[in-house]
Amino acid sequence: QLQLQESGPGLVKPSETLSLTCTVSGGSISTSSYYWGWIRQPSGKGLEWIGSIYYSGHTYYSPSLKSRVTISVDTSKSQFSLILSSVTAADTAVYYCATHRISRPAYLDNWGQGTLVTVSS
Amino acid sequence: DIQMTQSPSSLSASVGDRVTITCRASQNINNYLNWYQQKPGKAPKLLLYAASSLQSGVPSRFSGSGSGTDFTLTISSLQPEDFATYYCQQTYGTLQATFGPGTKVDIK
Repeated sequence: QLQLQESGPGLVKPSETLSLTCTVSGGSISTSSYYWGWIRQPSGKGLEWIGSIYYSGHTYYSPSLKSRVTISVDTSKSQFSLILSSVTAADTAVYYCATHRISRPAYLDNWGQGTLVTVSS
Repeated sequence: DIQMTQSPSSLSASVGDRVTITCRASQNINNYLNWYQQKPGKAPKLLLYAASSLQSGVPSRFSGSGSGTDFTLTISSLQPEDFATYYCQQTYGTLQATFGPGTKVDIK
């Protein structure tokens, strides 16, 4: 059973960089079945897809966040990571990692438990 | 960009009720539409993909229909564990994903 676990600082200062890691267990990150995605959810609000990465390093990003987002993968550690630069209070949210299944249509079928990141001085 | 809307934004229902939630896309997305359930403090859970295909392990009281721009999620007989927020999601663009604003189903 594929499992994903987010980790990283829970507090980030405004204008600084948010950095999170998702560790994959119970399966190979180097699979052709999935991209590996990040999604966020501000408190009391809806879901926003941030971007996804293939094990080869190919990425897709949300157009609204593309200028501030970098997603990378480390297959040797079975991890993929999110970097969001120049954060503001609007970036305060629960951040989830998930498997982004490559199919028609694509869908997000395995999720981590989520990690709360607060942007505050 | 493809925009998604859902209606209603919330509804109150009783156990045993038939519940229908509507999702609309701003342009034709064929059947590239998924539905998720989210309970408070938990990660979303995939219910249906490709508009009408039931994810493994999801009860058969959940069903979906639609194509093009208009889609529905139906719960045939609402159970206590179904009180949650439901999101539709389009994935028509290559590896793009836009969620609807959600529909909260609570107890009448």
